[in-house]
Amino acid sequence: NAGVMQNPRHLVRRRGQEARLRCSPMKGHSHVYWYRQLPEEGLKFMVYLQKENIIDESGMPKERFSAEFPKEGPSILRIQQVVRGDSAAYFCASSPFAVASPLHFGNGTRLTVT
Amino acid sequence: ELKVEQNPLFLSMQEGKNYTIYCNYSTTSDRLYWYRQDPGKSLESLFVLLSNGAVKQEGRLMASLDTKARLSTLHITAAVHDLSATYFCAVDMGGSQGNLIFGKGTKLSVKP
Repeated sequence: NAGVMQNPRHLVRRRGQEARLRCSPMKGHSHVYWYRQLPEEGLKFMVYLQKENIIDESGMPKERFSAEFPKEGPSILRIQQVVRGDSAAYFCASSPFAVASPLHFGNGTRLTVT
Repeated sequence: ELKVEQNPLFLSMQEGKNYTIYCNYSTTSDRLYWYRQDPGKSLESLFVLLSNGAVKQEGRLMASLDTKARLSTLHITAAVHDLSATYFCAVDMGGSQGNLIFGKGTKLSVKP
């Protein structure tokens, strides 16, 4: 059973470009979460999605960031017009159901904005 | 403001020694998670603590939860080099599923 798959592992973008980060949850998991980790910091919650629905986006910046989890295909975190402050590791996690089960994290995408 | 504070943030230990990492949180919660992260890697779930007084052990690691004190501890017994990693606690503050508040992490280095 493959774990949470994220790609790309590393992504370099120039300021003003768009970044697209992809996440395929573990098989059988229908809940997806995105977190951001700055260097030497803990993870910060961004958004929680189920298929075709955004459940909680309280951690998403108001502008430039969006997320989706379509009926078919991976979840996408999209950052438009990236700035240097967006450089971070972005982790996706999934869980099987909405109870207190631990999140299963992917290996992350490390975004560098030059 | 909801806060989760870990201490120490850095810990250098010798193999064979015991030590405890502390995780304090600022509001009521009865769900706390411990994760391990190796450099450049993802987070691995270690423990899920779901009630006051919960204690769980796996190998040389033991985690406990005191919801009244808003405190969890991760105790390391007879440390070995393979335990070197960063350890995070994360608290479910009662928001939506999966909306966890993470501490900054404790970077553990176990030296021979």
